[in-house]
Amino acid sequence: GAVVSQHPSRVICKSGTSVKIECRSLDFQATTMFWYRQFPKKSLMLMATSNEGSKATYEQGVEKDKFLINHASLTLSTLTVTSAHPEDSSFYICSVSIAKNIQYFGAGTRLSVL
Amino acid sequence: AQTVTQSQPEMSVQEAETVTLSCTYDTSESDYYLFWYKQPPSRQMILVIRQEAYKQQNATENRFSVNFQKAAKSFSLKISDSQLGDAAMYFCAYRSFGGHASGSRLTFGEGTQLTVNP
Repeated sequence: GAVVSQHPSRVICKSGTSVKIECRSLDFQATTMFWYRQFPKKSLMLMATSNEGSKATYEQGVEKDKFLINHASLTLSTLTVTSAHPEDSSFYICSVSIAKNIQYFGAGTRLSVL
Repeated sequence: AQTVTQSQPEMSVQEAETVTLSCTYDTSESDYYLFWYKQPPSRQMILVIRQEAYKQQNATENRFSVNFQKAAKSFSLKISDSQLGDAAMYFCAYRSFGGHASGSRLTFGEGTQLTVNP
């Protein structure tokens, strides 16, 4: 069964609005979750590392105020795309680091900003 | 910083045949993990196989096996008896051995799109 649940699977929003994406670890406590962005036919680009109870660690070039990450519990991390614009349209994927050497991925969220 | 290179953007194989996907990486670390992930059209990332660098024996999972050459920093994936369901984008990934949270990040290659022909 699924280890990670990601919602919604698809969202369409108007430019200027904010969108929240949830990532849940179903069977395990996850102190660390990761958020990726993927463009069509491209690899996964790490955006940030989400740490339970502390601030997320963002990769270079990723706007902290644009992509807000909250990891308030051991099973839930959220990514909020604030004031979304068409260039934010992409596929966003979360993953959970459960054991030291394995990451399990959510099914992804396709964001379309009109 | 570690880098992962997949030199084959696209590969094709006939159903029931064998195909090998290439992956090389660059690192100064001696202990690490290597993975192959599969991303089918659904875009769900699925772990195919993993290898611990300290293990000399090549990992095997049913029809999937790897050829891990640590000195050459090469980590190829062999798919035997290819099936239509194997068609997907395959990503090679590297993870440091360290236990710190940031050490568990994955570095991905650019991917290889595998087509399986009936």
